[in-house]
Amino acid sequence: QKEVEQNSGPLSVPEGAIASLNCTYSDRGSQSFFWYRQYSGKSPELIMFIYSNGDKEDGRFTAQLNKASQYVSLLIRDSQPSDSATYLCAVNYNFNKFYFGSGTKLNVKP
Amino acid sequence: NAGVMQNPRHLVRRRGQEARLRCSPMKGHSHVYWYRQLPEEGLKFMVYLQKENIIDESGMPKERFSAEFPKEGPSILRIQQVVRGDSAAYFCASSPQGADTQYFGPGTRLTVL
Repeated sequence: QKEVEQNSGPLSVPEGAIASLNCTYSDRGSQSFFWYRQYSGKSPELIMFIYSNGDKEDGRFTAQLNKASQYVSLLIRDSQPSDSATYLCAVNYNFNKFYFGSGTKLNVKP
Repeated sequence: NAGVMQNPRHLVRRRGQEARLRCSPMKGHSHVYWYRQLPEEGLKFMVYLQKENIIDESGMPKERFSAEFPKEGPSILRIQQVVRGDSAAYFCASSPQGADTQYFGPGTRLTVL
C-alpha cells in the first residue's frame, strides 16, 4: 500500500512568518509531487509541482524535494491570513496514479 | 477557458436510490479521475478513465459503484442503492494527454438520508 503521510496540524503561524509543511511518502518509485491548497468546503487548487531533487520557487511558495529521504516540503514565506487552509500533498506513482495525504491544516494568525 | 465542471453541486438521495454524478473535463483534457473525500480526511482515488476506457479502477468499491467516460458527453460516476456511508464529497479532476498535472472540479456533495 502506497502511503503519503502528513501531520494533520493545525499548524499555527503569525502573519508574516514562514510556514513549513512536510510530507513523506513510502515508495521510492514515485515520479512527481504536488501541493494543493483546499479551503473549507472547496475543491483542491494546485499550488506547485516538483519532479527533481532540490528547490523550486514560485512567488511566496517554495517546494523542496529530497528523494533519498523520501520527503517533500512546502514553504510559504510572508504568510497571510488568506493562506489559512488545508494543504494536501500528492504523489504520482506509476504515471497517472495519485495518492494524497490527509492534509495539514494551516492557521495564519493576524 | 472553462475549468472542470461537475454537476450537480449538491445531491440528496434516500437509502436505496441511485446517484449519478457528472464531470466535464477541461477543454483539451482527455484524462479524468474521480476521488472521494470524507469530512476531515484526504482524497481517496477511485478511478482513472480516458475516453471510452477505464484505465485504473483499483480504488472503486467492488459493488454498487461504476464509472464511464463515453466518446461524447461527460464522465459519469454512478452509485447504485446508496447507503449512508456513501455521503461524501466526490471530486473529479482532469489532465491533458501526456501530462500528470490534475485540475479539480468544484465537487459534488452527496448526502444520503
